[in-house]
Amino acid sequence: SQTIHQWPATLVQPVGSPLSLECTVEGTSNPNLYWYRQAAGRGLQLLFYSVGIGQISSEVPQNLSASRPQDRQFILSSKKLLLSDSGFYLCAWSATGAGTDTQYFGPGTRLTVL
Amino acid sequence: AQSVTQLGSHVSVSEGALVLLRCNYSSSVPPYLFWYVQYPNQGLQLLLKYTSAATLVKGINGFEAEFKKSETSFHLTKPSAHMSDAAEYFCAVKEVAGAGSYQLTFGKGTKLSVIP
Repeated sequence: SQTIHQWPATLVQPVGSPLSLECTVEGTSNPNLYWYRQAAGRGLQLLFYSVGIGQISSEVPQNLSASRPQDRQFILSSKKLLLSDSGFYLCAWSATGAGTDTQYFGPGTRLTVL
Repeated sequence: AQSVTQLGSHVSVSEGALVLLRCNYSSSVPPYLFWYVQYPNQGLQLLLKYTSAATLVKGINGFEAEFKKSETSFHLTKPSAHMSDAAEYFCAVKEVAGAGSYQLTFGKGTKLSVIP
């Protein structure tokens, strides 16, 4: 069966510090991968998605970036965090191919920027 | 672009009472619709999905939802609330994102409280 991992689970960082959040998927090949951010009272916002290694699409302009160095690894980064980057970050995956319409979410990372 | 609107950011029901969480969608094509549940500090778990087959969709934990095209709605119901149903619920619509992928556009969520 497929599983999705995220780490760290929680993170407290000062403004201006760098960020690296990692997401890995097991039990599937060539998944589509997604990063979402959930801020209080604002629902989920899609940040990035990837259909393959090195292929990243950005949905929202911001000081965050994403990379996919391996097939089942998705990394969210920032060079300098802002207060507004605080939130709950969720990684998700979906299978590729016809009829694939469900996204499966990881446990999330709670980021607090002080 | 597709969108979803969830009516009511907070809903409270008594244990054993009917749960009704409302979702209306806007879509220019036949939609794929989803309901997810999120427990505190956890990821989202799929409850059920509508993919243009039966209009009444049954999901996990006794939940079901009915797709009504005439009302552009996909409301989530459960006949009898349990304390363990207390969580936040998100309605989402599938939208093509390009490059062979798609995205889910989520509503802002409805937090369900169950009163003993």
